[in-house]
Amino acid sequence: GENVEQHPSTLSVQEGDSAVIKCTYSDSASNYFPWYKQELGKRPQLIIDIRSNVGEKKDQRIAVTLNKTAKHFSLHITETQPEDSAVYFCAALQTSGTYKYIFGTGTRLKVLA
Amino acid sequence: DAMVIQNPRYQVTQFGKPVTLSCSQTLNHNVMYWYQQKSSQAPKLLFHYYDKDFNNEADTPDNFQSRRPNTSFCFLDIRSPGLGDAAMYLCATSRYTGGAKGYGYTFGSGTRLTVV
Repeated sequence: GENVEQHPSTLSVQEGDSAVIKCTYSDSASNYFPWYKQELGKRPQLIIDIRSNVGEKKDQRIAVTLNKTAKHFSLHITETQPEDSAVYFCAALQTSGTYKYIFGTGTRLKVLA
Repeated sequence: DAMVIQNPRYQVTQFGKPVTLSCSQTLNHNVMYWYQQKSSQAPKLLFHYYDKDFNNEADTPDNFQSRRPNTSFCFLDIRSPGLGDAAMYLCATSRYTGGAKGYGYTFGSGTRLTVV
C-alpha cells in the first residue's frame, strides 16, 4: 500500500518569510495529492490540491509542486502571516484496492511575529 | 456551511460503557470515512463506506464498529471504550466517480471523546 513521509515535523519562520513542507510517497499509481491545514481543536481544511497531470498549482500565497519521477510533492507558503500557524498534513490518494487517502505525519508551522 | 455534521462535539463516556458517535452529510457524497486523531498526530483511518460497501482497516480493533443506514448518515460505535480510545473522531466524506479521479475530503468538526 501507499506510504507518505512528511518533513519537517516542526517549522518556525519569521513573519513574511517563506515556508516549505515536503512529502514523499511510495505508490506510483497515486495521482491526487491534497494538503490540509488544521488549527488547534478544529477540523482539517483542504487548502490546495494537485493532480498527477500537473506539475505546479498556485493559489495566492500558497503553491504546490509535484515531481512524479521522484515521487515527491511540496507545499510552499510565501509571505507567511501569524494566521498561517497550524499543523499541515499532506496526503496521497491510494487508488489500488480501496479508495482512501494516506496522510503524512504532519508539520507544525509556527510563524513568529 | 456545516455540510458534514458530527454530533456531539464533546462526548464523555465511562470506561467500558458503549458509546455512539454520529455523522450526517448534505453533500450526497458516496464515500464516508471515520478517522481517529490523537494530539496533533495524523488522522488514522478506522474504516470507510463506499456506498454500502464497508471497508475495515486491518489494524482497526474489533471494539470499533460502524453503520451506514443511508447515504446521509454514518455512525461509529465503540462497544467498550478504554482510556486509550480517548481522541478526536473525525468523519469525512468524499465523492468518487470511479477510475482514478479523486476529490478532496470534506471533514466534519469532529467529536472529542473523553473516557473516564
